[in-house]
Amino acid sequence: AQSVSQHNHHVILSEAASLELGCNYSYGGTVNLFWYVQYPGQHLQLLLKYFSGDPLVKGIKGFEAEFIKSKFSFNLRKPSVQWSDTAEYFCAVKDTDKLIFGTGTRLQVFP
Amino acid sequence: ETGVTQTPRHLVMGMTNKKSLKCEQHLGHNAMYWYKQSAKKPLELMFVYNFKEQTENNSVPSRFSPECPNSSHLFLHLHTLQPEDSALYLCASSQGGAGSQETQYFGPGTRLLVL
Repeated sequence: AQSVSQHNHHVILSEAASLELGCNYSYGGTVNLFWYVQYPGQHLQLLLKYFSGDPLVKGIKGFEAEFIKSKFSFNLRKPSVQWSDTAEYFCAVKDTDKLIFGTGTRLQVFP
Repeated sequence: ETGVTQTPRHLVMGMTNKKSLKCEQHLGHNAMYWYKQSAKKPLELMFVYNFKEQTENNSVPSRFSPECPNSSHLFLHLHTLQPEDSALYLCASSQGGAGSQETQYFGPGTRLLVL
């Protein structure tokens, strides 16, 4: 079965710093990939997703992710973070009818 | 507001109690899911209902019992839980059935504490 690894458990940045959160999945073939975000006290919400086509996916709030098939990776990036990006970020891969999640990365952005 | 609501938002129960969690989706979706979110662990899929039929039971103990009376409502009945069952229980729904490429939309969760 698929598994998802998020290498960074806790990331602390200052505002305007660039962000890259790592995500790797365990095996290839056709994959559907997602990044979800959970702001403090709020529900999980979709940030962006990749199903096919352009491997560079643009999401909401200036986030993007790049699917690199050869590396089984789907890293999340943002060129300049804001304090409001403080949240927990979850990478997920769809395996038949299941979403398999990583353990999440907690991002703290300080003004 | 995602269109997926869960009640109660917080629940404290003893190990001998019986309680139920409720999820309702207002999105016209065909698939509904229960997940468990524990500290420092990945979200764990518990159950999948596809067009009201249970299609996945991810080795969940029988003290958790799901019910899906219609495509808009999903329940999780709890009885004789253990303290390690304390977690955030998330409901999600998706359009087009669980095997499709559709995005899952999550509710706010029920924070459960078992004493």
